Amino acid sequence: GDSVTQMEGPVTLSEEAFLTINCTYTATGYPSLFWYVQYPGEGLQLLLKATKADDKGSNKGFEATYRKETTSFHLEKGSVQVSDSAVYFCALRNDYKLSFGAGTTVTVRA
Amino acid sequence: NAGVTQTPKFQVLKTGQSMTLQCAQDMNHNSMYWYRQDPGMGLRLIYYSASEGTTDKGEVPNGYNVSRLNKREFSLRLESAAPSQTSVYFCASSEAGEKLFFGSGTQLSVL
Repeated sequence: GDSVTQMEGPVTLSEEAFLTINCTYTATGYPSLFWYVQYPGEGLQLLLKATKADDKGSNKGFEATYRKETTSFHLEKGSVQVSDSAVYFCALRNDYKLSFGAGTTVTVRA
Repeated sequence: NAGVTQTPKFQVLKTGQSMTLQCAQDMNHNSMYWYRQDPGMGLRLIYYSASEGTTDKGEVPNGYNVSRLNKREFSLRLESAAPSQTSVYFCASSEAGEKLFFGSGTQLSVL
């Protein structure tokens, strides 16, 4: 079945540092890929998405590129802020179902 | 601007008790979902409803039942709660599996 594997956390960074969260997937067909973010005490929100190979999703300074050859969708941000502290989930969609990774907790220190 | 509304926000049950988690969305979405979130395991799909009148099992359906009451409402029922069902439960809706909109969650403890 479909599955998503993302790097384990927690990740702790200083403000303005570079952030990378690795995500790889296993799926049949041509899934869409997503990054969701969960701020403390809230539900998940869509951060960005890519629907086909080589697409780049971007939002709020975050980027991720759909790499079919390596089955990856790594999340990057060049300069993080304290407000980026959250749990980040990689996900894929096949048919109507979304499968999520385990989540990576990111803490940014001032 | 309600979006997805879940009730209750918190609940404590004793082993063997039953309860129903309610979920309603006002975005006219066809698809609705129930997930549970556990530390280190991310979100796991319990049940989903691709459209009104249909429901399907997800990854972890055992011990749960669902009802798609109408297009707006999708409830999750625990018939006989067990400590293993202690979790945070999220309802979500979407249009054909695209961007999911999540509720704020229900924190359930089973003692």
